[in-house]
Amino acid sequence: GQQVMQIPQYQHVQEGEDFTTYCNSSTTLSNIQWYKQRPGGHPVFLIQLVKSGEVKKQKRLTFQFGEAKKNSSLHITATQTTDVGTYFCAGPGGGSYQLTFGKGTKLSVIP
Amino acid sequence: EAQVTQNPRYLITVTGKKLTVTCSQNMNHEYMSWYRQDPGLGLRQIYYSMNVEVTDKGDVPEGYKVSRKEKRNFPLILESPSPNQTSLYFCASSPRTVQETQYFGPGTRLLVL
Repeated sequence: GQQVMQIPQYQHVQEGEDFTTYCNSSTTLSNIQWYKQRPGGHPVFLIQLVKSGEVKKQKRLTFQFGEAKKNSSLHITATQTTDVGTYFCAGPGGGSYQLTFGKGTKLSVIP
Repeated sequence: EAQVTQNPRYLITVTGKKLTVTCSQNMNHEYMSWYRQDPGLGLRQIYYSMNVEVTDKGDVPEGYKVSRKEKRNFPLILESPSPNQTSLYFCASSPRTVQETQYFGPGTRLLVL
């Protein structure tokens, strides 16, 4: 079945440093979604990318979808303590009804 | 307020004692699903439902059952829980498919002794 690999598994950064997490799928994706889960919380939707080569920005967060629609990245500029949490990418698996998540990247920000 | 609710939030039980975790959404969503989250393994889909009376297996369905008798409710049933089902469980819903925003419930932390 489809696999979605995400790296790194953990990232510790000093506050103010940048952060990037990468997501790679074994198959071409129709779209990719990104979620953030704060410690002790539930996943919360951040964004969905649909088009090949698409780039979207949300304040300090930049999301990219690869040209081949098999990889994606999330980049955070100048991290803040409020960015702490685990970031997941997710792509549709079997048709429109199965969703496969990457294992997530846990971000720690040192003040 | 639009939301997905789960009950209970925390549960400790013993091996073999049947339990049900309820999930309810008030957004009139057609699609609902269950995930389990384990350290180092991320979120894995257990079962999903495309609409009332329509359900299908996800990636890790063994040991679980679901039903969708009403649009708003999607309970997860563990007929005979085992310790390897100790996990954090999330219910999620979306308007129609996984091609849209998934709204997650607060989670249910289950410990099976």
